[in-house]
Amino acid sequence: GENVEQHPSTLSVQEGDSAVIKCTYSDSASNYFPWYKQELGKRPQLIIDIRSNVGEKKDQRIAVTLNKTAKHFSLHITETQPEDSAVYFCAADTGRRALTFGSGTRLQVQP
Amino acid sequence: GAGVSQSPSNKVTEKGKDVELRCDPISGHTALYWYRQSLGQGLEFLIYFQGNSAPDKSGLPSDRFSAERTGGSVSTLTIQRTQQEDSAVYLCASSPTGQETQYFGPGTRLLVL
Repeated sequence: GENVEQHPSTLSVQEGDSAVIKCTYSDSASNYFPWYKQELGKRPQLIIDIRSNVGEKKDQRIAVTLNKTAKHFSLHITETQPEDSAVYFCAADTGRRALTFGSGTRLQVQP
Repeated sequence: GAGVSQSPSNKVTEKGKDVELRCDPISGHTALYWYRQSLGQGLEFLIYFQGNSAPDKSGLPSDRFSAERTGGSVSTLTIQRTQQEDSAVYLCASSPTGQETQYFGPGTRLLVL
């Protein structure tokens, strides 16, 4: 089955800096890669996603890149703000079953 | 419109008792998922329902866990003879057809004493 590895497990940046979180996946059939943000005590919420026919996608300060050959994808947050502090999960979906999630990255943005 | 809802929001039970957790997906969504999240951990897949197909139960950790989905809508996750290691947040999600964004419910926080 699919295996998703996520790094780093924790990330601390200064407000205004960029943050990058990286994930690798094992199943080359995976074709959908969402990123979820989970604030303390809250439900995971989708922040951006990318499909395998696209190499990069941007939404304001957030971007995701996908390298199908290397089987890795990354989340980039620019101009970080304190409200970006949360746990971020990457996931991969082959379309045959539920998402396989990475182990999460705890992002702390220092004001 | 209404999002995914779950009940109860919190459940405290004694070891050995059975519990039922309920999920109401977004209306019209054919795919429904259950995940488990232990404190400070990632999301562990439990079971996946897609339309009228047989559910994918490959993530259920033991035969004490079962789930059903009646009428293609509401789902119930049942844990029999609960153990302390079952303590976690149980999250339900739904998606329109199973290959798109999953929308999560608020979760049920289960504590087994």
